Amino acid sequence: QVQLQESGPGLVKPSQTLSLTCTVSGGSINSGGFWWSWIRQSPGKGLEWIGYRSNDGRTYYNPSLRSRLAISLDTAKNQFSLSLTSVTAADTALYYCARGGAVAGTDYSWFDPWGQGALVTVSS
Amino acid sequence: DIQMTQSPSSLSASVGDRVTITCRASQNIKKYLNWYQQKPGQAPKLLIYAASGLQDGVPARFSGSGSGTDFTLTLSSLQPEDFATYYCQQSYDIPRTFGQGTRVDIK
Repeated sequence: QVQLQESGPGLVKPSQTLSLTCTVSGGSINSGGFWWSWIRQSPGKGLEWIGYRSNDGRTYYNPSLRSRLAISLDTAKNQFSLSLTSVTAADTALYYCARGGAVAGTDYSWFDPWGQGALVTVSS
Repeated sequence: DIQMTQSPSSLSASVGDRVTITCRASQNIKKYLNWYQQKPGQAPKLLIYAASGLQDGVPARFSGSGSGTDFTLTLSSLQPEDFATYYCQQSYDIPRTFGQGTRVDIK
């Protein structure tokens, strides 16, 4: 069964770049029909979808973050990554990676499974 | 953005109770609605997709219904392992958005 695990620094200074990696095991990120996703959770904003990327290069980003955001895939390492530039305290959150998929033959999409989450604090 | 509003924000119930959680979308999302369960210290887990589809491995006491703007998650007989927070999420439009959550705890 597919499992995801986030990794990266837990503390980032304001104005710097937040970088996280998600390692996928039990399946290939080259598998068609999936969207490799980032979602964050904070007490103030609840669950917030960040964006996703498919293995054919299509990306969808949250418009509120688009100007600072990049999601990339490393198929050789079976990983995908999040880069968020110019961070502020408002970007402090628990960051989850998740696999996005859809019911076969439809566009009813969902997120499953999720990683355990990586807490990132933005502070000087 | 499509706003998702859940009610109630929290509820207390006993083992064996029937529990209903409501999710309302700010516009018609047809059946593009998922439900997740999150326990403390854990990631959310998909329960229901496309408003009423039961995810593999999820007990049949969970069910979802609704379409358009109004949706319901029902737990037919609450079990000890069901005490958690539940979230709805729309997959109709970008950005994907979630409800604020409904916490179910022990009465």
